[in-house]
Amino acid sequence: EAEVAQSPRYKITEKSQAVAFWCDPISGHATLYWYRQILGQGPELLVQFQDESVVDDSQLPKDRFSAERLKGVDSTLKIQPAELGDSAMYLCASSLGQGHTGELFFGEGSRLTVL
Amino acid sequence: AQKITQTQPGMFVQEKEAVTLDCTYDTSDPSYGLFWYKQPSSGEMIFLIYQGSYDQQNATEGRYSLNFQKARKSANLVISASQLGDSAMYFCAMREAMEYGNKLVFGAGTILRVKS
Repeated sequence: EAEVAQSPRYKITEKSQAVAFWCDPISGHATLYWYRQILGQGPELLVQFQDESVVDDSQLPKDRFSAERLKGVDSTLKIQPAELGDSAMYLCASSLGQGHTGELFFGEGSRLTVL
Repeated sequence: AQKITQTQPGMFVQEKEAVTLDCTYDTSDPSYGLFWYKQPSSGEMIFLIYQGSYDQQNATEGRYSLNFQKARKSANLVISASQLGDSAMYFCAMREAMEYGNKLVFGAGTILRVKS
């Protein structure tokens, strides 16, 4: 069964360092999402791509976070510099896009700890 | 404004009993979708069930059913015959149709613990 691949699963870094997460969505899924989930809370959307274009980054802290999906396939989320409050699970998801139910297929997540 | 509300931070249920997890939503869009996801301690989000706003019947998937009350804007998840493996975090989510595509907004979640 096709899956959303994410790496790394776990990342420990010190504050002020740079960190990057990678996501490979299910083949053919036009829409890719990055969510941040703080422990004990629901996921919050950081950025949404339609193919290679950003369609929603209203909740992305743009002073330190960046995201790209250059060829409309895999995506990278970067944090520089990392802060203590960035400790969270970063979830990538993909979907077929408009016209379907909108079900999101999630990867296993990347758990970030900032010391 | 809170669009998805899950009022139960935590729930306990005895093994083999049924449990209902509450979810209310807020939208003015006539076309929307409601989802429930399960998140075990390992972290992955597992899709459980979907209900479209125009669906006449409540959705069911095995032991999961969605009690959809459109006028009350509620979409409660019912798990029948609870199993120990059902212990997890459960999230209700709503699909909003944006001009650029679908967007999913999640509630804060409910932790379910199944007791043996």
